[in-house]
Amino acid sequence: DIQMTQSPSFLSASVGDRVTITCRASQSITNYLNWYQQKSGKAPTLLIYAASTLQSGVPSRFSGSGSGTDFTLTVSSLQPEDFATYYCQQSYSTPRTFGQGTKVEIK
Amino acid sequence: EVQVVESGGGLVKPGGSLRLSCVASGFIFSDAWMTWVRQAPGRGLEWVGRIRSKADDETTDYAAPVKGRFTISRDDSRNTLFLHMNSLKAEDTAVYFCATVRGGRYLFALDYWGQGTLVTVSS
Repeated sequence: DIQMTQSPSFLSASVGDRVTITCRASQSITNYLNWYQQKSGKAPTLLIYAASTLQSGVPSRFSGSGSGTDFTLTVSSLQPEDFATYYCQQSYSTPRTFGQGTKVEIK
Repeated sequence: EVQVVESGGGLVKPGGSLRLSCVASGFIFSDAWMTWVRQAPGRGLEWVGRIRSKADDETTDYAAPVKGRFTISRDDSRNTLFLHMNSLKAEDTAVYFCATVRGGRYLFALDYWGQGTLVTVSS
């Protein structure tokens, strides 16, 4: 199975901050990497697919990059509605493993 | 508008069985691959399994912790996805989400999710 490791697990930031979350795969997954946002008590929503393509309706302050084993999710200017938990997921092979999540909280 | 709505969760004793349903609308369900993802209380997301479309032989794949105990099936005439869960354990306690699998340029991302249904396994 492919292991997905996110860092950090927890992040404290202020509105307006630039935030970067990293995700590392245990083997190459080319660009089969997705990012999801989950707010407390809600279902996850797709933010970015294929490593760097923004899902329709997602604000342009979100961006993704990377290929192979190393990926990043960046929020260029954190907004109040962005405080949530973020997960990466590989869709290269089954089982489609998720990272452990990064919780972004208000400083 | 795409909608997926799960139901069937509840309290079940260890060793028991339960069947979850997920009714979909707003897209051609018979063409879609579908997946189940679960989330234990206070924990992260865990992929449970996936079923391909009839055109792709409705083949299934499962995560190791549920393989042999859980079965995913579908009824395209009712736009419904099922998760049959047997030999339930306390560690199966979670919110279970169904989600659509988007192929093509989406590279199998999960683009629409239901609100989830809670399964509690306890004596």
